[in-house]
Amino acid sequence: DAGVIQSPRHEVTEMGQEVTLRCKPISGHDYLFWYRQTMMRGLELLIYFNNNVPIDDSGMPEDRFSAKMPNASFSTLKIQPSEPRDSAVYFCASSYNGAVYSPLHFGNGTRLTVT
Amino acid sequence: SQQGEEDPQALSIQEGENATMNCSYKTSINNLQWYRQNSGRGLVHLILIRSNEREKHSGRLRVTLDTSKKSSSLLITASRAADTASYFCATGNAGNMLTFGGGTRLMVKP
Repeated sequence: DAGVIQSPRHEVTEMGQEVTLRCKPISGHDYLFWYRQTMMRGLELLIYFNNNVPIDDSGMPEDRFSAKMPNASFSTLKIQPSEPRDSAVYFCASSYNGAVYSPLHFGNGTRLTVT
Repeated sequence: SQQGEEDPQALSIQEGENATMNCSYKTSINNLQWYRQNSGRGLVHLILIRSNEREKHSGRLRVTLDTSKKSSSLLITASRAADTASYFCATGNAGNMLTFGGGTRLMVKP
């Protein structure tokens, strides 16, 4: 099992540009989570999906952020337009039976720098 | 917002010593989980303890949970330099969401 795969590992972009982060969850996992990690705010849950359907997006900071899961093996997090305060490490995680009953498996993250 | 708060924020010990990290939380939970994060990597799950459990072991790890005090502790026995990492507690509640604390940075000196 390759684990959760995220791409790219690093992204540097200029303010105002569109950024797309990608995630491939572990096969057979029905839940997918997007988290953001910063020194100031720690780990924040942005959105999670169950069976490709967004369940809770209350953590998405604003309308500039959007996430999709077109199929069970792929999800994207898009920021348009990006701003310097979006600089952070973005993690994708998947689990077999939701966070209440089973552990999360994290990817190695995408480090986003917006200049 | 952070549900769990770890204490201490940073801990430095010698190899072979035990390391204890504490976590406090505010609302009722279904389970509490501990994760480790090495620098530049994603979080790795260590142990999950359910709200009706009081203690759990996994190798050199021992986790306790006191729901009356809304607190948990993680004990790493006979620490090794490879245990150097940040450790996070996370609480799971209704809605299938995990809320993470701010973490404890552990340094184990060889």
